[in-house]
Amino acid sequence: SQKIEQNSEALNIQEGKTATLTCNYTNYSPAYLQWYRQDPGRGPVFLLLIRENEKEKRKERLKVTFDTTLKQSLFHITASQPADSATYLCALAPSGSARQLTFGSGTQLTVLP
Amino acid sequence: NAGVMQNPRHLVRRRGQEARLRCSPMKGHSHVYWYRQLPEEGLKFMVYLQKENIIDESGMPKERFSAEFPKEGPSILRIQQVVRGDSAAYFCASSPRRGERNTGELFFGEGSRLTVL
Repeated sequence: SQKIEQNSEALNIQEGKTATLTCNYTNYSPAYLQWYRQDPGRGPVFLLLIRENEKEKRKERLKVTFDTTLKQSLFHITASQPADSATYLCALAPSGSARQLTFGSGTQLTVLP
Repeated sequence: NAGVMQNPRHLVRRRGQEARLRCSPMKGHSHVYWYRQLPEEGLKFMVYLQKENIIDESGMPKERFSAEFPKEGPSILRIQQVVRGDSAAYFCASSPRRGERNTGELFFGEGSRLTVL
């Protein structure tokens, strides 16, 4: 069956360091992969999208890589700040048609001052 | 420009009662999705609707749950005869008209938190 796995444990890092979050998937051929941020009690907010034919995408302090051979995406936040503390969700969309996204369970990131 | 609006934000029901959750998509968006999120779990797809049509309800329980998106007015997620296991956050999301190049980015509301006593 299709499965999406993110870092199983919460991630704590020191302010200023680079946070790296992992999203692995199996039995899936996504056309694109998205990353969302979710704060407690709030709805997810879209951050970045990367297509299957793209290796890397950047937006300000964010960088996403997508390796369809390894079936893995890495999400990096450089020069992290306490305000980056949140849960980060990866989501996959299947190839061939525009259908609903499938979300991972998320990784809770805490940036310590 | 208002985003996706959900109400109520919090709803408390006793077992056996009905819960109705409403969602108004972003202006110009004609596609609505409902997701459920249990504590410490990810978002689980429930149903995908366009105006007056259910496109995909593969994630919706077969009994007690229904959804609609009428020509006029918000989308409604209805849960009949609620049980404690229905307690969760229910998120609505919308997207613009789909096309071949639509990448599926979703715009989420702030959610409706249902508590069943």
